[in-house]
Amino acid sequence: GQQLNQSPQSMFIQEGEDVSMNCTSSSIFNTWLWYKQDPGEGPVLLIALYKAGELTSNGRLTAQFGITRKDSFLNISASIPSDVGIYFCAGQRYGGSQGNLIFGKGTKLSVKP
Amino acid sequence: DSGVTQTPKHLITATGQRVTLRCSPRSGDLSVYWYQQSLDQGLQFLIQYYNGEERAKGNILERFSAQQFPDLHSELNLSSLELGDSALYFCASSVDVGEKLFFGSGTQLSVL
Repeated sequence: GQQLNQSPQSMFIQEGEDVSMNCTSSSIFNTWLWYKQDPGEGPVLLIALYKAGELTSNGRLTAQFGITRKDSFLNISASIPSDVGIYFCAGQRYGGSQGNLIFGKGTKLSVKP
Repeated sequence: DSGVTQTPKHLITATGQRVTLRCSPRSGDLSVYWYQQSLDQGLQFLIQYYNGEERAKGNILERFSAQQFPDLHSELNLSSLELGDSALYFCASSVDVGEKLFFGSGTQLSVL
């Protein structure tokens, strides 16, 4: 099946540092989404990207849809303790009857105050 | 709060048993998705329904089945449970196929 390679697997950073994570795929996607999951909760949508090359921000978060449509990155600037969690990228390819998301395996972010 | 409601939050059962997980989508959302999350496999897509009809199938075992009812709520039935079925099961909903997904808080299933 389709696979998304998300890296890094985990990150340990100091509060105030910037963070960057990315996802790559061998397949083209029409939509890239970034989710954050807190312990015991479901993934929460952070940013959705719909066009190749698109750069979108949501507060301290910035994400880009790669030109080749096979990759995306997420940056978090000036990290704070509440940024702790698992970040997932997800690609969506639709056409026909397929509408499901393919998820990366997640990047676990730890922030040291 | 995403607006997607899942019950129960926790479920503990024994091997060989059958359980039903329930999901109410966000108001107005016609599409419901089920995902399984385990430590080693990440989030795995199981099945999708749109307005009562099955729309897409992922890595769903034959022992598992789902349906979406006329009021748009959905149920995931897991039967002949095995230890390896222990996982977090998430329901998500979207307005339409291909739209953003909103996830519920999940059901933690423990098979002992």
